[in-house]
Order: sequence, then structure tokens, then C-alpha cells
Amino acid sequence: DIQMTQSPSFLSASVGERVTLSCRASQNINKYLDWYQQKLGEAPKLLIYNTNNLHTGIPSRFSGSGSGTDYTLTISSLQPEDVATYFCLQRNSWPLTFGSGTKLEIK
Amino acid sequence: EVQLVESGGGLVQPGRSLKLSCAASGFTFSDYNMAWVRQAPTKGLEWVASISYGGSNTHYGDSVKGRFTISRDNAKSTLYLQMDSLRSEDTATYYCARHQPEMDAWGQGASVTVSS
Repeated sequence: DIQMTQSPSFLSASVGERVTLSCRASQNINKYLDWYQQKLGEAPKLLIYNTNNLHTGIPSRFSGSGSGTDYTLTISSLQPEDVATYFCLQRNSWPLTFGSGTKLEIK
Repeated sequence: EVQLVESGGGLVQPGRSLKLSCAASGFTFSDYNMAWVRQAPTKGLEWVASISYGGSNTHYGDSVKGRFTISRDNAKSTLYLQMDSLRSEDTATYYCARHQPEMDAWGQGASVTVSS
């Protein structure tokens, strides 16, 4: 099974700051990497699919990049409504595996 | 508007069975693969199972293989998860998701508690 390691597990940043979240796979996942946002008490929501494709309705301050085993979610200017836990998901091979999440808070 | 509504959760004793349902609306259900994802209390997300749009292909996570069965009724636009031989570690909120293959729509979740 492919293991997904997210870092950091917790991040505190200021409004307006550029934020970078990382996800590392235990083997090449060929850019089949999605990012999901989960706010407290809510269902997860798709942000980015296939590494760098912004899902419909997601603000352009969110972007994704990466290849091989290393992937990044960037928020160009952190907003208060971005407080959430962010999960990556690899879809390169079965079983699908999520990272353990990065909890993002406002400083 | 795409809507996914789970039902069938509740409290169940270890070793017993439970069946979850997910009613879909706002899209042509039979055109899409579907999935179940769960989240134990205060934990992360865990993919449980996926099924192809026609129902002929299924995949399961290692922790549920042989105990859980995913199925669908395209005429009723409904996804199911039959959960047998339940264990305390199956306690979680279970989400159904449209599996594009990215999971672009999610239900609000159904809570399952396995306890004596």
C-alpha cells in the first residue's frame, strides 16, 4: 500500500500570509493526488484534483503542484475562512490512501 | 444541485451487522463511480470502498475487506454499504462520495457506533 505523509501536522499562520502544506508518497503516484478541506463539523470538500486542477468554485488563492512522490498545496494569501484540516489523497493505485492531515489555524 | 444523503447509522453491538444507504439526486447516478469514506472520532479520513458506475467492479480497503460489501441500485439512485462482523474500530462517521475519480461531492455523513 502507498503511504501518504503530510507535513506539518499543525500550522499556525497570519491572515494574508502565504502558506504551504506538503504531502509525500511512499512511491511515485504519477500526479494522481487530490487535496480536500474539512472544516470543523463538516464533510470534506474537494479543493484540487490531479495535483494542480482547481475544483469548480474554489478560490484562486489555492493552488497545487508536485510530481513523483512530493506534492504541495499553497494558499497564496491566508483568509480567516481557510481555518480547517487539509487532507491529501492518492488515487494512483488501490487501496486509495489519505494523508493524516494538516490542521491550519490563524495566528 | 448534487445531493448525497446518508442514512442507516446508529448504535450496534460488536459482531452484528448494519446497512448504510446513500440517496443521490441532482445528477445521473448511473454515470458515476461512487465511494464510501469514514472518519473515526477525532481521526483522519480513511477510504473504505468504491464501486464502478455499473456495479460490476468493486474495491475495498484492507481493514474492511471480507466484512463490508458496497453495492448500488441505479434504478433507485442509491448506494449501499453492508457492514458485517462489526468491530469497535469501525466506529466512525461514514461519508458517501461521488467518485469521478476525484471525490467531488460528499454527503453529510452517517454516524456508526459499535459498542456493547
